[in-house]
Amino acid sequence: EVQLVESGGGLVQPGGSLRLSCAASGFNLGSYWMGWVRQAPGEGLQWVANINPDGSERYYVDSVRGRFTISRDNAENSLYLQMNSLRAEDTAVYYCARIGIAAAGDYDYWGQGTLVPVSS
Amino acid sequence: DIQMTQSPSTLSASVGDRVTITCRASQSISSWLAWYQQIPGKAPNLLIYKASSLEGGVPSRFSGSGSGTEFALTISSLQPDDFATYYCQQYSIYPITFGQGTRLEIK
Repeated sequence: EVQLVESGGGLVQPGGSLRLSCAASGFNLGSYWMGWVRQAPGEGLQWVANINPDGSERYYVDSVRGRFTISRDNAENSLYLQMNSLRAEDTAVYYCARIGIAAAGDYDYWGQGTLVPVSS
Repeated sequence: DIQMTQSPSTLSASVGDRVTITCRASQSISSWLAWYQQIPGKAPNLLIYKASSLEGGVPSRFSGSGSGTEFALTISSLQPDDFATYYCQQYSIYPITFGQGTRLEIK
């Protein structure tokens, strides 16, 4: 059974840093593109970043480029999101998601999400 | 960036109704479109990919259509579990973008 379990969320002050982790199981992480999608409270979905299977290609939404870094450790079955210089507008539930095997861009499995409130 | 516009934003319907949600892209995305269902407090769930392909395990009452800039999600006969929020997503080019969502309510 495919499972994605996020961790690392929690209250952080503006300007602070946080590292989210996503533990993957039930499939070969090294064969899939992966991504992070976030959802601010009461709002819609916003794509954050994607990474290819070997980590050599990374894509970001403009609002986080230069502040966030997506990475992966296939041997550890883990995906990460390093978030620096956090702002109030980064407050959201962050979902880890797998892109389907065709690598087209649709997310076929999602984690349960981890909440990141950014507030002083 | 490609803007995705869903309509309506809110839809009231009854069990057994046939409903259609539309999604318009600001430029052509071929068939690179997905539909998701999200129940409050839960992660989104993939329903349709590549505009009209039904994800495994999704009931056949869900169907997708369209290409280019105009797309639709149809639920042929609403069931109680279908009252949720639905999002379209384009993955033709980066940045990936989602529609604003359509909330399907019980009439």
